[in-house]
Amino acid sequence: NAGVTQTPKFRVLKTGQSMTLLCAQDMNHEYMYWYRQDPGMGLRLIHYSVGEGTTAKGEVPDGYNVSRLKKQNFLLGLESAAPSQTSVYFCASNRGPEDTQYFGPGTRLTVL
Amino acid sequence: GENVGLHLPTLSVQEGDNSIINCAYSNSASDYFIWYKQESGKGPQFIIDIRSNMDKRQGQRVTVLLNKTVKHLSLQIAATQPGDSAVYFCAENSLSLSAGGTSYGKLTFGQGTILTVHP
Repeated sequence: NAGVTQTPKFRVLKTGQSMTLLCAQDMNHEYMYWYRQDPGMGLRLIHYSVGEGTTAKGEVPDGYNVSRLKKQNFLLGLESAAPSQTSVYFCASNRGPEDTQYFGPGTRLTVL
Repeated sequence: GENVGLHLPTLSVQEGDNSIINCAYSNSASDYFIWYKQESGKGPQFIIDIRSNMDKRQGQRVTVLLNKTVKHLSLQIAATQPGDSAVYFCAENSLSLSAGGTSYGKLTFGQGTILTVHP
């Protein structure tokens, strides 16, 4: 099992550019999550999904969109990147809402 | 608002010592707590969890204690090794409802404690 994987590992964008972060899990988990981690602020939930074809907003959804076309993949999109979106992004998954979440290795994004 | 926090931001120990990392939480309705370890440049890694109907749970070299009376959680690491050096987060997983009515596990993290183990 690879667990939760994320691509890319690093990315530098200019303000206004767009990109998509990919999260994949091979544990057949129903739930998937996208977080951002900023210094001194811990992890904050951006969007989540309770199953294939579903998405919902978390604490800080503005400026991001997500899609869950396949159960194993959860995509995070930035349509027009802003410097405030410079952060480390983590994907996580679990079987159900009260089960342990397992995290990917993260994507470090810098927006200039 | 409800939050999960840590008493000590940094902890330095000698190799072989036992380490204790503390966490205070404020949501008395929480029923599931997790400890994560995060090494530099990596994602949070699950260490151990505990449900609110327990007050102690042991794993390999780690023990989590839960005191619901004072809303306190601790992680004990026995015979700490240099490889244990990392940031440790406690987290509270609570069942929540989104605006759309779907339930999900809301994970609320503390700010983290930096553990440094000296050889």
